Amino acid sequence: EAGVVQSPRYKIIEKKQPVAFWCNPISGHNTLYWYLQNLGQGPELLIRYENEEAVDDSQLPKDRFSAERLKGVDSTLKIQPAELGDSAVYLCASSLEGVGTQYFGPGTRLLVL
Amino acid sequence: GEDVEQSLFLSVREGDSSVINCTYTDSSSTYLYWYKQEPGAGLQLLTYIFSNMDMKQDQRLTVLLNKKDKHLSLRIADTQTGDSAIYFCAAGGSQGNLIFGKGTKLSVKP
Repeated sequence: EAGVVQSPRYKIIEKKQPVAFWCNPISGHNTLYWYLQNLGQGPELLIRYENEEAVDDSQLPKDRFSAERLKGVDSTLKIQPAELGDSAVYLCASSLEGVGTQYFGPGTRLLVL
Repeated sequence: GEDVEQSLFLSVREGDSSVINCTYTDSSSTYLYWYKQEPGAGLQLLTYIFSNMDMKQDQRLTVLLNKKDKHLSLRIADTQTGDSAIYFCAAGGSQGNLIFGKGTKLSVKP
């Protein structure tokens, strides 16, 4: 069974440019999570979806970050405009249900110059 | 808010046992997890334990939970160089969100 798929794996952009990350969860997993992992830190939740509904986006900086999961499967996380401090790893995870075990993708490593 | 703390570094010799410790603050945590992260990779689920258990063993891995002290440990028996990685402890509450520690970097010397 395929795991969580993320693309791109690496992205280098200049500040003030937009960037988007894509995630395909494990088949059948209703819950999808986006996490931010800064260097030397553990992952921190940005947003959690139950099917297509964002049930927890309290930690998402809504002035520049947005996310969508239109058909309740794939999800896209966008930053516009990117700032130097956004350089980090963006991890996607999925679980069968809201309190189930979370499985992580390989992450997208973003460098903002 | 909820917090999870871990020591940042652990160094062991190949063949020895490794013990990584973790403390958490949320007494309502129902699931506690250990994830492994190798350089440039995502988080790999190693094992988990429910809060109503005090021990779980899975091959070389043993998880001990002291719910009263909110203390979790991961023991890796016969540690190998391939076990070198960062190990994250995570506490999961009834809402499903995970709170992660900062990770313990395990170095295994041959």
